[in-house]
Amino acid sequence: DAGVIQSPRHEVTEMGQEVTLRCKPISGHDYLFWYRQTMMRGLELLIYFNNNVPIDDSGMPEDRFSAKMPNASFSTLKIQPSEPRDSAVYFCASSLALRALSYGYTFGSGTRLTVV
Amino acid sequence: DAKTTQPPSMDCAEGRAANLPCNHSTISGNEYVYWYRQIHSQGPQYIIHGLKNNETNEMASLIITEDRKSSTLILPHATLRDTAVYYCIVSSGNTPLVFGKGTRLSVIA
Repeated sequence: DAGVIQSPRHEVTEMGQEVTLRCKPISGHDYLFWYRQTMMRGLELLIYFNNNVPIDDSGMPEDRFSAKMPNASFSTLKIQPSEPRDSAVYFCASSLALRALSYGYTFGSGTRLTVV
Repeated sequence: DAKTTQPPSMDCAEGRAANLPCNHSTISGNEYVYWYRQIHSQGPQYIIHGLKNNETNEMASLIITEDRKSSTLILPHATLRDTAVYYCIVSSGNTPLVFGKGTRLSVIA
C-alpha cells in the first residue's frame, strides 16, 4: 500500500478563496482523521470519521471549515473563505481502529497551506 | 485522557542511547502509553506503545515504571536520522490521539 496520500503537497492561495485539501486513506482503514499543525498551537485534531461518518467535528475552528468523506477511499477538507490565519500544515491520518494498538495511526505527508 | 509532561528538548551524541522521559502521573488503569515521532516536514510516525510491561520493537524500547506514572523511550543507538520531535501520548482508546508539544531530540555527530 502507498500509505495515506494527500494532495496537494503545497497550496498558496489568496485570502477569500476556497481551498480544498484531499486525502486518500489506506485501504481497509475504518478511521480517518484530519489534524492541523501550527507553531503556536501544535498538532490539533479537527475532525474524524468512522466508516465514512463524521464522529466528532468539535475541533473544526469555524463554519468556514467543512469536511466530507463520500466513500471509504476519499476525504476532503474545505475552507471557504480562506483567511491568513488558516495557514498551517494539514495532515490526514487513517487507522484500523481508534485505539490503534500495534500499528498506530498512519499519517500522510501533509498539505502546507499558505493564505496570503 | 491523562496529560503528559516531556522536556522541550534534548541532545544525544550519535551512536549513544537516547533516553526520552515522559511523566503521566494521572494515568488511569485502562490507558496506554503511545510514542510517536515527527521528522521535519513529515507526518507523525508511530513508534511503540505499552500498558504495563516494558516493550521492545525494531525501532525502540519502552520502559514503564511499576506505578505507571512515568515512562522512558529508549533509542539504543541514535543516528542523525533520529533527529525529530518525539510525542508521548496517554490514551484509553475511546477518543482520538491528542498530541502535546513533545520533545525535540537533536542527535549530534
